[in-house]
Amino acid sequence: GENVEQHPSTLSVQEGDSAVIKCTYSDSASNYFPWYKQELGKRPQLIIDIRSNVGEKKDQRIAVTLNKTAKHFSLHITETQPEDSAVYFCAARSSGGGADGLTFGKGTHLIIQP
Amino acid sequence: AAGVIQSPRHLIKEKRETATLKCYPIPRHDTVYWYQQGPGQDPQFLISFYEKMQSDKGSIPDRFSAQQFSDYHSELNMSSLELGDSALYFCASSLVGEQYFGPGTRLTVT
Repeated sequence: GENVEQHPSTLSVQEGDSAVIKCTYSDSASNYFPWYKQELGKRPQLIIDIRSNVGEKKDQRIAVTLNKTAKHFSLHITETQPEDSAVYFCAARSSGGGADGLTFGKGTHLIIQP
Repeated sequence: AAGVIQSPRHLIKEKRETATLKCYPIPRHDTVYWYQQGPGQDPQFLISFYEKMQSDKGSIPDRFSAQQFSDYHSELNMSSLELGDSALYFCASSLVGEQYFGPGTRLTVT
């Protein structure tokens, strides 16, 4: 089955700086890669996703890049703000179909220092 | 916009009891997923349903079963509860692949 590795487990950045979180996946058949933000005790919130036919996607301060050859994808957050503090999870879904479950990374605790 | 609804939000059960969790997907979403998240852990996929048929199966214990009904809501039935089943249980729904999570049910087994 799919295995997703996520690094770092904790990331502390100064407010206004950029943050980068990296993930690798094992199943070359995976074709969908979402990122979720989760605050303590809350639901995972979909913040951005990318499909295997796209190399990069951007939404305001958030961008995701995908390197299919290397089987890794990254989340970039620019101009970080205190409300960006949360746990971020990357995930991957195999190409079996849209109803397949996601395999998540272990999460990155992002801390924005004022 | 309407979101995924889960009930109950909190549930306390004793060992060996049974529990039923309910999920109401976003209107017009035809796919439902169940995930289990332990403290400090990532969500673990349990099972999914598309158009009322089981679609994919993850790490769901044999003691658990689930189904999706004609109105697309889903129920996760958990029997012979163990202390290790204490977790947050999330339901997610989708229409074209993007999964939107509900608020979760916090199950505590004592």
